[in-house]
Amino acid sequence: DGGITQSPKYLFRKEGQNVTLSCEQNLNHDAMYWYRQDPGQGLRLIYYSQIVNDFQKGDIAEGYSVSREKKESFPLTVTSAQKNPTAFYLCASTEASRNGYTFGSGTRLTVV
Amino acid sequence: RKEVEQDPGPFNVPEGATVAFNCTYSNSASQSFFWYRQDCRKEPKLLMSVYSSGNEDGRFTAQLNRASQYISLLIRDSKLSDSATYLCVVNRYKAGGSYIPTFGRGTSLIVHP
Repeated sequence: DGGITQSPKYLFRKEGQNVTLSCEQNLNHDAMYWYRQDPGQGLRLIYYSQIVNDFQKGDIAEGYSVSREKKESFPLTVTSAQKNPTAFYLCASTEASRNGYTFGSGTRLTVV
Repeated sequence: RKEVEQDPGPFNVPEGATVAFNCTYSNSASQSFFWYRQDCRKEPKLLMSVYSSGNEDGRFTAQLNRASQYISLLIRDSKLSDSATYLCVVNRYKAGGSYIPTFGRGTSLIVHP
C-alpha cells in the first residue's frame, strides 16, 4: 500500500543534541512538508519542498534543517538551536495541492 | 490577524444533533480548501475538499463563500464517532507562484449520548 512512513514514533533528545526525523513516501508525490503541532494548537509549517533538490522555509524554520536528495525522502533535523523542540512532528505530501495532503503518523519528540 | 481562524470550541452536542463550524481566511488569493479530521494524538486525515458550488458527502456538507472569505462544515445526525478535532486547511498563495497549505488551529467536537 502507498503511504508516508515517519520514524521513529517516539524520540527523546537530550538538550544540546541534534536529532533527525525520517519521512519516506512511496506515493510518487513531488511536494513534501514538515509541520509542528503543539498541544491544543494547529499545525505550523517548518519547511517544504516542491521538487527534488529544492526546499523552502516555512513559518517557523529557525532551529531546523532539511534535505531533499531523493523524491521519496524528506528528513528533518532538529538542531540544538531550536529552543523548544518538544512537539508532535508531522510530515505530509501531495501530488497536486488541489487534491489535498496525505500525512504520516507523526513523531513525538521530547527533550529530557 | 491569523491566516486561517477557527473557533476552538469545544462544541458539545447530543447524538443526532446538527452542528456547523466556520473557518475564515485572510488571503483573498487563496485556492483549494479542505476539512480534515484529527483524532487525539493521531495524524490529520482528509474529510473532504470544499468546492465553490458546495458539496456533500453523506452527513457532511461543505460550503465556500469567497466574497466573505470563509468555509463551513455542516454535520447532520451526529454520531459518537464524529467526536474529534476538525481542521480547516487553506492553500495560501505565496509570492513566487506557490500555494502553501495553511491550517487553522481546529474546532473540537464532542458528541455525547
